[in-house]
Amino acid sequence: NAGVTQTPKFQVLKTGQSMTLQCAQDMNHEYMSWYRQDPGMGLRLIHYSVGAGITDQGEVPNGYNVSRSTTEDFPLRLLSAAPSQTSVYFCASFSGGAYGYTFGSGTRLTVV
Amino acid sequence: GNSVTQMEGPVTLSEEAFLTINCTYTATGYPSLFWYVQYPGEGLQLLLKATKADDKGSNKGFEATYRKETTSFHLEKGSVQVSDSAVYFCALRPFNQAGTALIFGKGTTLSVSS
Repeated sequence: NAGVTQTPKFQVLKTGQSMTLQCAQDMNHEYMSWYRQDPGMGLRLIHYSVGAGITDQGEVPNGYNVSRSTTEDFPLRLLSAAPSQTSVYFCASFSGGAYGYTFGSGTRLTVV
Repeated sequence: GNSVTQMEGPVTLSEEAFLTINCTYTATGYPSLFWYVQYPGEGLQLLLKATKADDKGSNKGFEATYRKETTSFHLEKGSVQVSDSAVYFCALRPFNQAGTALIFGKGTTLSVSS
């Protein structure tokens, strides 16, 4: 099915560990973004990309790294996990024009 | 800068009641405006959108009108159902920045009882 696929769905990390959250879309969308969702905070933008090889920082980029080597994939790397990074992470893609974004089903991350 | 302000919840209604969730925005020019819905345990789904002043977005009985003069995009539904219980997010995409990601409000939780 066409859409945005995120893996894993759940993850528990220890403080200081690193990991990569995967995001893939099969709609040939140029634009992709990563958000984190925290209670009472809505969704906050971490990083985004306007095409392969082009990324930029959002509102809360510290502690996260991204790359965009292909149109399809936009992985989010946690360099050294901290409890403050406990959150639900959503990846989204967008084709441009007057359309909305398509969201993945999310990754629930707990850092202990 | 660009921002979205939503009414704080939770909003608790009985089935068949009228729903309004207020949303106002700050942005230059004419941003595109969206309402997204998040059902428990799921990701966000696009509910409706409007791209220019006076446009009305509608879907599944929900409506919202892009009001440039009041910088608002309030969500309404004439008769809510239990199945409408979810978190609703208002969002904007800045004018002439098609590649820029969405800016979200903090979300409003709607709870509908039978």
